[in-house]
Amino acid sequence: EVQLLESGGKLVQPGGSLRLSCAASGFTFRTYAMSWARQAPGKGLEWVSGVSGSGGVTKYADSVKGRFIISRDNSKHTLSLQMNSLRAEDTAVYYCAKSLSGDYLSDAFDIWGQGTVVTVSS
Amino acid sequence: DFQMTQSPSSLSASVGDSVTITCRASQTISTYLNWYQQKAGKAPKLLISGASGLQGGVPSRFSGGGSGTYFSLTISSLQPEDFATYFCQQSYSVPPTFGQGTKVEI
Repeated sequence: EVQLLESGGKLVQPGGSLRLSCAASGFTFRTYAMSWARQAPGKGLEWVSGVSGSGGVTKYADSVKGRFIISRDNSKHTLSLQMNSLRAEDTAVYYCAKSLSGDYLSDAFDIWGQGTVVTVSS
Repeated sequence: DFQMTQSPSSLSASVGDSVTITCRASQTISTYLNWYQQKAGKAPKLLISGASGLQGGVPSRFSGGGSGTYFSLTISSLQPEDFATYFCQQSYSVPPTFGQGTKVEI
């Protein structure tokens, strides 16, 4: 079964750091671009960052550029998001998502994790 | 960035009704348009990719159409399990962007 499982979300103070992880299973991980998306409480979906299958290409939303770093370990089938200088507006459910068609950063997302909650508050 | 605008933001319908949600892109995106269903507290589920390509396991009462800047999602004969929020998303360019969502309520 194709599956994504996020972890690492918690309450953190403004200015703090947090690392999210996503464990993938059931597909050839290295052949698919992967992304992080988020959803603030009661709001819509926002793509946050994406990484190519090899890990060599990364892209970020303007709202997180310079603060977040996406990475992947193809040997461990894991995707990570290092979140620094966190702000209240980063509060959201964070999802990892698999690209539908392969190694395309802008693609439909056919598999989503269950989400992990990040709360930034003092 | 490409802006995606959905309408309406919400709608009320009854079981058995046919409903149509529209999505407009700020620039032409060919058919790089995808539709998702999200139920409360759950992750989004991909319904349609490439404007009209139904994903496996998705009931045939869901259909999508359009190209360029104007797209639609139609649910014929609404079922109780279809009451949810629907999002469009463009995959023409990075960053992929989503519409604000349409909540389909009873």
